Amino acid sequence: GENVEQHPSTLSVQEGDSAVIKCTYSDSASNYFPWYKQELGKRPQLIIDIRSNVGEKKDQRIAVTLNKTAKHFSLHITETQPEDSAVYFCAATLMEYGNKLVFGAGTILRVKS
Amino acid sequence: DGGITQSPKYLFRKEGQNVTLSCEQNLNHDAMYWYRQDPGQGLRLIYYSQIVNDFQKGDIAEGYSVSREKKESFPLTVTSAQKNPTAFYLCASNDRGGHGNTIYFGEGSWLTVV
Repeated sequence: GENVEQHPSTLSVQEGDSAVIKCTYSDSASNYFPWYKQELGKRPQLIIDIRSNVGEKKDQRIAVTLNKTAKHFSLHITETQPEDSAVYFCAATLMEYGNKLVFGAGTILRVKS
Repeated sequence: DGGITQSPKYLFRKEGQNVTLSCEQNLNHDAMYWYRQDPGQGLRLIYYSQIVNDFQKGDIAEGYSVSREKKESFPLTVTSAQKNPTAFYLCASNDRGGHGNTIYFGEGSWLTVV
């Protein structure tokens, strides 16, 4: 995942606050950017994704924004709840890796109630 | 997600032993993947296959082997050459070989060396 950098590695927020996780990628030809949520001991599950032809996508409390010029995309979670606590992974398709998905290192999100 | 079945969920390996993790999907996906996840770490690609009878090494293929004799099956063998195999192993699949299509994961297999 060195070609997809994810920050921060840990994030602690108060319940009801917003959380933002940011990822940068190296390949300007990347065209697909999913976000996965992984609870402890379980499999990652897709929560939202965005393709390179749009700048923003929203699904209830979750949104993703994409800045192709700067080569970064971000996950926004509003009105956080304790059940949002998990590890979040971003990913990007990278042409130099045969258009496979490359994952960021993950962000541990803790929502304090 | 329910269409990808991994077994066993927990496996213990003795030193010098080869073990095989099973992955079966009924989603009719062309591409299948194996990832390794260490505690508190991200996902690292071991092997992937975009079509039957063909597969490529990922970032950490040493000490592992795979086969893809059937579209629905992609077993992973952890050989004795893998010196630190204790990890959580995730199988995944998607269609059209990862060209912007969602990857779905199995429930994972925990491998521990004893």
